[in-house]
Amino acid sequence: GENVEQHPSTLSVQEGDSAVIKCTYSDSASNYFPWYKQELGKGPQLIIDIRSNVGEKKDQRIAVTLNKTAKHFSLHITETQPEDSAVYFCAATLSGGYQKVTFGTGTKLQVIP
Amino acid sequence: SAVISQKPSRDICQRGTSLTIQCQVDSQVTMMFWYRQQPGQSLTLIATANQGSEATYESGFVIDKFPISRPNLTFSTLTVSNMSPEDSSIYLCSVGGEMGGQETQYFGPGTRLLVL
Repeated sequence: GENVEQHPSTLSVQEGDSAVIKCTYSDSASNYFPWYKQELGKGPQLIIDIRSNVGEKKDQRIAVTLNKTAKHFSLHITETQPEDSAVYFCAATLSGGYQKVTFGTGTKLQVIP
Repeated sequence: SAVISQKPSRDICQRGTSLTIQCQVDSQVTMMFWYRQQPGQSLTLIATANQGSEATYESGFVIDKFPISRPNLTFSTLTVSNMSPEDSSIYLCSVGGEMGGQETQYFGPGTRLLVL
């Protein structure tokens, strides 16, 4: 089955700096890679996703990149703000909505004001 | 995106008892899933809730321990049976399929369970 590794497990950045979280996956058949943000006491919130036919996607301060050959993908947050502090999970799945999602181990991001 | 609610939001239970968690979606969805998130950990799929038929369980999870129902396209329940302290976790319902013009999955707010 699919295995997703995520690094780093914790990340502290100064407000305004950039944050990068990296993930690798094992199943070359995976074709959908969502990123979820989980704030304390809440469920995971989908913040951005990328499909295997796209190499990069951007939404305001958040961007994701995908390297299918190397089987790794990354989340980039620019101009970080204190409200970006949360646990971020990368994930991979064979199908965007119809199959199980395999999650990475999570990255706790702390943005220091 | 779909609006997902779960009841209860949290509970404290005694070992040996059972708890049923409800998941309600504001629109009909193709897929419903149940995940478990142990304290400080990532999410693990328990099972896929199939409408009108038995749920499909992942390795390590069995129907006797986690019976699931899905009577229609907007509602599902997960029961945690004969609970032990090791069952203390967050239980999350998710919905999947084509929503808003794309295939994706959304998660509910979770049910925080503490077993004493």
